[in-house]
Amino acid sequence: DTGVSQNPRHKITKRGQNVTFRCDPISEHNRLYWYRQTLGQGPEFLTYFQNEAQLEKSRLLSDRFSAERPKGSFSTLEIQRTEQGDSAMYLCASSLPGGGSEKLFFGSGTQLSVL
Amino acid sequence: GQQLNQSPQSMFIQEGEDVSMNCTSSSIFNTWLWYKQDPGEGPVLLIALYKAGELTSNGRLTAQFGITRKDSFLNISASIPSDVGIYFCAGTHPSGNTPLVFGKGTRLSVIA
Repeated sequence: DTGVSQNPRHKITKRGQNVTFRCDPISEHNRLYWYRQTLGQGPEFLTYFQNEAQLEKSRLLSDRFSAERPKGSFSTLEIQRTEQGDSAMYLCASSLPGGGSEKLFFGSGTQLSVL
Repeated sequence: GQQLNQSPQSMFIQEGEDVSMNCTSSSIFNTWLWYKQDPGEGPVLLIALYKAGELTSNGRLTAQFGITRKDSFLNISASIPSDVGIYFCAGTHPSGNTPLVFGKGTRLSVIA
């Protein structure tokens, strides 16, 4: 499978716990994006990387959210001290650089439930 | 931030009917894209539009980039049950490195 891969598909956690999600982009794509989607809404941008550089992170929802892409390949999104309002689908996408960069290819997402 | 307004929010149609949905913005966009999302899955790209006035087809799907650059529509002809899902418009703003902005979606239900 050469698509965007996200793990885990589902995560149930208790309020206050930390969670980490992983995204493996399409191999030749150098841009990687994280979005969040709540019920009845479209995906909401959080942050993105070009190779290992995080180019935009001001849209991360709070300082409890952080993302890394240390070697420019896979990325992780961590949420510390989770709250019930963090419950959502977390989507990862990747794209080619340059003229094709607006075509985002999404993974299947990680559904987070905070109890 | 940029807002994309999709209409209708939801629609119920009979199998075989044609469908039309649209997306508008208060500001201009450089590109318009249409995605479809099935329950529990990520959005899948259907069509990408790059020029004002551009009309592009993908099978039974046709989409147009409005000439004002502030709107786009998606048509589906001869709908089938597997067309059920949520359709999202998305766009990129000319301001620069702005990521893809999404509308709230149109939920399509097809009655066999």
